[in-house]
Amino acid sequence: GDSVTQTEGLVTLTEGLPVMLNCTYQTIYSNPFLFWYVQHLNESPRLLLKSFTDNKRTEHQGFHATLHKSSSSFHLQKSSAQLSDSALYYCAPITSGGNYKPTFGKGTSLVVHP
Amino acid sequence: GPKVLQIPSHQIIDMGQMVTLNCDPVSNHLYFYWYKQILGQQMEFLVNFYNGKVMEKSKLFKDQFSVERPDGSYFTLKIQPTALEDSAVYFCASSLDGLGGYAEQFFGPGTRLTVL
Repeated sequence: GDSVTQTEGLVTLTEGLPVMLNCTYQTIYSNPFLFWYVQHLNESPRLLLKSFTDNKRTEHQGFHATLHKSSSSFHLQKSSAQLSDSALYYCAPITSGGNYKPTFGKGTSLVVHP
Repeated sequence: GPKVLQIPSHQIIDMGQMVTLNCDPVSNHLYFYWYKQILGQQMEFLVNFYNGKVMEKSKLFKDQFSVERPDGSYFTLKIQPTALEDSAVYFCASSLDGLGGYAEQFFGPGTRLTVL
């Protein structure tokens, strides 16, 4: 079945530094749809970014990501981290062959400190 | 934006009892999901549901679990009987489509289940 690999565990950053959270996916199916969800402490996840267009940058709330089908990647980036970016981030591809089951990664916990 | 509601927000029950978690999805959504999140850990997929049927379930979806959405009402997760390891926050989600741009999932606030 499909799988996804994210930057493992905890990423700790100083406010103002750039953010890069890696996401690579594995699927035998073409045309995956990629999603990034963010979950702040004691909240439910919500959509941050989505894409299905190869090599096209998508942006939202200061974050951006580009789907690269050639490398099966959808890395999440931000130029300058803010304290409020501290959260758990999930990369979730969906493909046509997986009974529409989103394959959530293990999540990457981002902690931004002053 | 669209909202998913979950009832109750907290539930405490004794091991072995039955519990039903209720989800009121976004009104025009067609795909429904349950996830489990143990405190301090990542969220994990349990099951997805479409057109009255389970589409796929994970290994976490034990035989004691069942889901249904009778007559377009609440989408429910029933656990019978409960076990200590079922203690977690359960998130319900819904989406308009299962694939594509409308496959964005909207999550409810979660039900915190404590099994004693």
